[in-house]
Amino acid sequence: KAGVTQTPRYLIKTRGQQVTLSCSPISGHRSVSWYQQTPGQGLQFLFEYFSETQRNKGNFPGRFSGRQFSNSRSEMNVSTLELGDSALYLCASSGSVPYEQYFGPGTRLTVT
Amino acid sequence: AQSVTQPDIHITVSEGASLELRCNYSYGATPYLFWYVQSPGQGLQLLLKYFSGDTLVQGIKGFEAEFKRSQSSFNLRKPSVHWSDAAEYFCAAYTIVYAGGTSYGKLTFGQGTILTVHP
Repeated sequence: KAGVTQTPRYLIKTRGQQVTLSCSPISGHRSVSWYQQTPGQGLQFLFEYFSETQRNKGNFPGRFSGRQFSNSRSEMNVSTLELGDSALYLCASSGSVPYEQYFGPGTRLTVT
Repeated sequence: AQSVTQPDIHITVSEGASLELRCNYSYGATPYLFWYVQSPGQGLQLLLKYFSGDTLVQGIKGFEAEFKRSQSSFNLRKPSVHWSDAAEYFCAAYTIVYAGGTSYGKLTFGQGTILTVHP
């Protein structure tokens, strides 16, 4: 089986812009979770989607949003980018064993 | 508050030496416990997991971890480190949260331990 894929791998955006990141889960997995990783805050949970519904949400401002499509692919959107949004954004999918998450390679977002 | 703590931010060992990375958790009940490894610029790879039963679990790449309930610890070990093991290691705990009549799972990570291997 192919692993979790994330596109694009690298992004450079300007403060105030918005950005959309994409995640394709492992085939058959219906749950997709997103995490933000920064040197200062470590790995922080953003949100989880299951069957096109947001099931869980971390403590991030409303500028961070996401959605999931019927094929389980997920996107996350960050509006009005701030310098502090520069981070590695990781996506993870899980299947019938919800606590066993498999991670993608991440999208490195740099905000200038 | 529920948390996962990795006391060591950075550990340096010589190639061929043994390794132990520490992890402590703070939860009311025993969570599901995991160790992940992350190479520079890469995502997280699952090394091993503990759900219940035998407290010594074996993982990939020659790693093992021991769950000790009395110490709320889940330390990662390897008897002989290879240069390719240099990476950042994360301990994580998965718990079920009940809120508003529903339940959902939550994976919480420690801050990570950077492993440097000297030749």
